[in-house]
Amino acid sequence: SQKIEQNSEALNIQEGKTATLTCNYTNYSPAYLQWYRQDPGRGPVFLLLIRENEKEKRKERLKVTFDTTLKQSLFHITASQPADSATYLCALSNQAGTALIFGKGTTLSVSS
Amino acid sequence: DAGVIQSPRHEVTEMGQEVTLRCKPISGHDYLFWYRQTMMRGLELLIYFNNNVPIDDSGMPEDRFSAKMPNASFSTLKIQPSEPRDSAVYFCASKLAGGNSPLHFGNGTRLTVT
Repeated sequence: SQKIEQNSEALNIQEGKTATLTCNYTNYSPAYLQWYRQDPGRGPVFLLLIRENEKEKRKERLKVTFDTTLKQSLFHITASQPADSATYLCALSNQAGTALIFGKGTTLSVSS
Repeated sequence: DAGVIQSPRHEVTEMGQEVTLRCKPISGHDYLFWYRQTMMRGLELLIYFNNNVPIDDSGMPEDRFSAKMPNASFSTLKIQPSEPRDSAVYFCASKLAGGNSPLHFGNGTRLTVT
């Protein structure tokens, strides 16, 4: 069956450092990989999307890589801030973007 | 744009009671999804609609769960009868057509069945 694993449940880093979160998957050939942010008591909010034929995508302090050979995505937040503290979810989808399956998330804590 | 609106935000009910969760998607969106989130299982897709038509309900746990979308601006998820193991946060999300269109989530309904 399809499986998505995010490297750890929790990640603690100091302000100003780069946070790197990992998403691995098996038994799936996704057309798209997406990253979402979820704050306590709120729904997930979309951050970035990368296509299967793209290697890297950037948006401000965020960078996502996608390696379909390794079946892995890395999500980087550079110059992290306490406001970046949240749970980050990766998600895989098919060409239509409908069969979207989520990892359980990694909770990032950035201390000042 | 108000985003996806879900009601109620919290629901506490006793085992055996009927529960109805409501969702108003973003106007103009083609797809509507219902997800359930628990610590153990994360976000699980229950069912999704395209242009008000149910497309895939394979994630619905059992016959106690049903979902409807009578028009483009309203959907319900009903649990009858409810059981303690149904306790979770239920999210509704909507999106435009196209694989690169992201999901827009509501803030969820936290359901507690005692």
